[in-house]
Amino acid sequence: DAGVIQSPRHEVTEMGQEVTLRCKPISGHNSLFWYRQTMMRGLELLIYFNNNVPIDDSGMPEDRFSAKMPNASFSTLKIQPSEPRDSAVYFCASSSTTGELFFGEGSRLTVL
Amino acid sequence: AQSVTQLGSHVSVSEGALVLLRCNYSSSVPPYLFWYVQYPNQGLQLLLKYTSAATLVKGINGFEAEFKKSETSFHLTKPSAHMSDAAEYFCAFSARDNYGQNFVFGPGTRLSVLP
Repeated sequence: DAGVIQSPRHEVTEMGQEVTLRCKPISGHNSLFWYRQTMMRGLELLIYFNNNVPIDDSGMPEDRFSAKMPNASFSTLKIQPSEPRDSAVYFCASSSTTGELFFGEGSRLTVL
Repeated sequence: AQSVTQLGSHVSVSEGALVLLRCNYSSSVPPYLFWYVQYPNQGLQLLLKYTSAATLVKGINGFEAEFKKSETSFHLTKPSAHMSDAAEYFCAFSARDNYGQNFVFGPGTRLSVLP
């Protein structure tokens, strides 16, 4: 079975550029989560969706960050404009009614 | 508010020794509890989960954890460490709210296994 699929796996960009990270959750899962992981701050929840509806976006750092889930099989996390402090690994995860989260391999973002 | 704490950001054990990684939670509702493992440059992988059935939960790779309500703990153990167990371990909590699920992760414990 395909797990959570994230793209790109690696992205290097320059400050000020727009970054779009993509996620395809596991089919049938009704909740989707975006996390950010850094050495300094650990694993931070950015936003989560339930049935494509954003439920809690209190972890989104600022207005430069936005996330969408137009349908049950696709979500994006966008950063515009990007800054060096946004450099991190961004994880997408999905879950079903069984309770556990399934994580993607992550998107490593480097903003120069 | 729910929270998860992990005692010790870094634990070192010798190969073959007991592994004990500590996790405590704070919650006003019955918890679902999880342990995840993260190997370098990979995503988090579920080790085991507690969802109100048996209090002693067995997971993959020989790990197990015991839910103790009176101590609000869910410590992870393995009788004999292997070099391949070196990784970051995260304890996590979830509780259903009116809208769906939310997860709270602990800060993680990095396990080193010494030869």
